[in-house]
Amino acid sequence: GAGVSQSPRYKVAKRGQDVALRCDPISGHVSLFWYQQALGQGPEFLTYFQNEAQLDKSGLPSDRFFAERPEGSVSTLKIQRTQQEDSAVYLCASSKSGRETQYFGPGTRLLVL
Amino acid sequence: GQNIDQPTEMTATEGAIVQINCTYQTSGFNGLFWYQQHAGEAPTFLSYNVLDGLEEKGRFSSFLSRSKGYSYLLLKELQMKDSASYLCAVRGTSGTYKYIFGTGTRLKVLA
Repeated sequence: GAGVSQSPRYKVAKRGQDVALRCDPISGHVSLFWYQQALGQGPEFLTYFQNEAQLDKSGLPSDRFFAERPEGSVSTLKIQRTQQEDSAVYLCASSKSGRETQYFGPGTRLLVL
Repeated sequence: GQNIDQPTEMTATEGAIVQINCTYQTSGFNGLFWYQQHAGEAPTFLSYNVLDGLEEKGRFSSFLSRSKGYSYLLLKELQMKDSASYLCAVRGTSGTYKYIFGTGTRLKVLA
């Protein structure tokens, strides 16, 4: 079956611009996670949804970062007033439930100039 | 605090065996995962350990010792396509299912 998909795959933004990154999880997966991966580093947790409820947003680095999953399926990660330090790969992962293995999408590579 | 340590880089020869170690110190433990990540691609799931011992899956095996906060990934009969980063991740205690990742070990397989 189809895996996790993310769009766009690449995004170049000017500093101060707002961006929106989309994640389509595997159909039927209840849990959805966002991670940020800097070059040469492991992914770092940003936020976690169970259906439409955002249960953990402790990893969001600032109030410029906002995530939503209004119908419990597709999720959007929005970054307002982007800064150069926001440049990274943003990975989305989904799982059948919180306890199940997470499956990752290909990521969105964001470059802020 | 939360800390996961892995070697940064390893090199091995095609056909050989390589062991990638991972040590962790986390405030809660609910399983340890290994993922493979080729450059520019998504991490793909390799193995999962929650109880002590060895889990074998084809050419890949993973070991866990919870008392020592230690795991390793064993890759046998190395192939060129195994050149990738290998990520060790620990899942937190119930209520928050986030993974805490190490920085990854970049494995180069030489002919």
